[in-house]
Amino acid sequence: DADVTQTPRNRITKTGKRIMLECSQTKGHDRMYWYRQDPGLGLRLIYYSFDVKDINKGEISDGYSVSRQAQAKFSLSLESAIPNQTALYFCATSDRHPGQETQYFGPGTRLLVL
Amino acid sequence: EDKVVQSPLSLVVHEGDTVTLNCSYEVTNFRSLLWYKQEKKAPTFLFMLTSSGIEKKSGRLSSILDKKELFSILNITATQTGDSAIYLCAVGSGGSNYKLTFGKGTLLTVNP
Repeated sequence: DADVTQTPRNRITKTGKRIMLECSQTKGHDRMYWYRQDPGLGLRLIYYSFDVKDINKGEISDGYSVSRQAQAKFSLSLESAIPNQTALYFCATSDRHPGQETQYFGPGTRLLVL
Repeated sequence: EDKVVQSPLSLVVHEGDTVTLNCSYEVTNFRSLLWYKQEKKAPTFLFMLTSSGIEKKSGRLSSILDKKELFSILNITATQTGDSAIYLCAVGSGGSNYKLTFGKGTLLTVNP
């Protein structure tokens, strides 16, 4: 079984709709992250959480919100989706101990906003 | 603002060639540099480097970090078609607010 899972894997939605992307992990990591990947722009950090109840904005948090419901779950919401939020979204996790901060990625969610 | 620049952005080689991918960075409070390989799915971890001058190796792949000149290289020898992928460099920085900043990646295509 995969250590980091994301649902859904693909989603098509319309402008203005609210959608939620979910991430779960069985690695026991404290830290979780949401990234988006766009062609030519690489991976950009949206939000990250170092523990339950800890939420931090990344480079491009506008238009997104997150919820860390438990150590193993981190959800990303688009309150009112717009076409330029069409992208590939990755969740990642990492340990908090120095030297063990490698991030492990989920399989990604491909989102299309019409 | 933290910055990670990879070069070249794309590269086409033939099987058996050796390639060198570059990553330079400017970050505040450097902690680590990581290399990932991304095929048609999620990035997979290759190496993490924290000390200058120490080479990390895994089969035909190796990487080294120069903290004085602020760059790292990823070498792949005797390339195979299965090495075709995007190679991502990421730099970890910060103290308690540790985060990764990614470069845009190098697209490597290995032709038979």
